Amino acid sequence: DAKTTQPPSMDCAEGRAANLPCNHSTISGNEYVYWYRQIHSQGPQYIIHGLKNNETNEMASLIITEDRKSSTLILPHATLRDTAVYYCIGITGTASKLTFGTGTRLQVTL
Amino acid sequence: DAGVIQSPRHEVTEMGQEVTLRCKPISGHNSLFWYRQTMMRGLELLIYFNNNVPIDDSGMPEDRFSAKMPNASFSTLKIQPSEPRDSAVYFCASSFTGPNEQYFGPGTRLTVT
Repeated sequence: DAKTTQPPSMDCAEGRAANLPCNHSTISGNEYVYWYRQIHSQGPQYIIHGLKNNETNEMASLIITEDRKSSTLILPHATLRDTAVYYCIGITGTASKLTFGTGTRLQVTL
Repeated sequence: DAGVIQSPRHEVTEMGQEVTLRCKPISGHNSLFWYRQTMMRGLELLIYFNNNVPIDDSGMPEDRFSAKMPNASFSTLKIQPSEPRDSAVYFCASSFTGPNEQYFGPGTRLTVT
């Protein structure tokens, strides 16, 4: 699975868009990019995933660069409840394992 | 669906005692995962099952740890004997087979004194 690199922490004002970057320069052609988040003291929560195309769901949008070496998770209107650690994970098309890195700690402030 | 259910939510035990953690996956899911989270090591995969069969147990720390999945609706993680360094939050997750989203339980906070 591709090694992913994320900034350790970010701040975002409530109501603004939160843009969380992830580098995955070694990603292979059949590897998906998954995003999870973990709110304090809770189990991780799935957010979104993508392979090549940009994806959007009710929680977030995922923008993947054309060369697939990086991606950005966008929370369009961050709220205080979005304060969490966000993990970007590369996973092959046939695998089930998730390897969590250190993630990005997003702090949403008033 | 109630989601992934774990019990107990908190466990405090003395060193040397046996500890059993329990997990009920989401009905219909055929993959089950056990993770451990500590401040020092982060979130680590211990073992995962597919259709009740252990597929990868390379993350199990040592022989003191064992996991079973006797049927599709129940799994246990046992530590015998427990040690203080086993103190952590243990999460169970389930999913459909393949690179699908995993649903995590609320975790069991284990403290070994």
